[in-house]
Amino acid sequence: AQTVTQSQPEMSVQEAETVTLSCTYDTSENNYYLFWYKQPPSRQMILVIRQEAYKQQNATENRFSVNFQKAAKSFSLKISDSQLGDTAMYFCACFSGYALNFGKGTSLLVTP
Amino acid sequence: KAGVTQTPRYLIKTRGQQVTLSCSPISGHRSVSWYQQTPGQGLQFLFEYFSETQRNKGNFPGRFSGRQFSNSRSEMNVSTLELGDSALYLCASSLSAGGLVDRNEQFFGPGTRLTVL
Repeated sequence: AQTVTQSQPEMSVQEAETVTLSCTYDTSENNYYLFWYKQPPSRQMILVIRQEAYKQQNATENRFSVNFQKAAKSFSLKISDSQLGDTAMYFCACFSGYALNFGKGTSLLVTP
Repeated sequence: KAGVTQTPRYLIKTRGQQVTLSCSPISGHRSVSWYQQTPGQGLQFLFEYFSETQRNKGNFPGRFSGRQFSNSRSEMNVSTLELGDSALYLCASSLSAGGLVDRNEQFFGPGTRLTVL
């Protein structure tokens, strides 16, 4: 069984600042993928960034980057130059077979 | 290319009724997965369909069922609704049900908000 844990229910950051969202996971699979999804108030789930477990290099996508520590089973998301539009719920998820296993989410508020 | 569409967007039912939700995947996507999102349980996997066959199922009672049509559109049905079935139901499509590489990237629809009174 897989578990995904997000220990920060809520976070806030000022516009233009950097924020890091934490995620730990547990899986017995050797081959898996990790994701961060964003769910704004509109409720549409949007893929932010993806990391293949077999790749050591951390994924980056514009202002979004991850710190993937495979041995520690840690997968944090860093948002640089935060923008008001980044306000949303952020979900960490693990995929190793047929379904995404999600964490409980972190509510991020970006303030002016 | 159009995204994943779900209908209806909002639905209000009473206990004991049944409901059918619809999902149209991105053109060319053959796999459709359903998730239930509630404040208490978070996002939970319901089932996955590929080529009109249910390939995987989450830990939900038999009142939850689904099907997939030849055009990859999918429906899920909940019978004998309970108050606890109130949730946002999300559908996600992926390119294929081949290896992990193709299956892992899922694109979500806007969801159907079901309220059971």
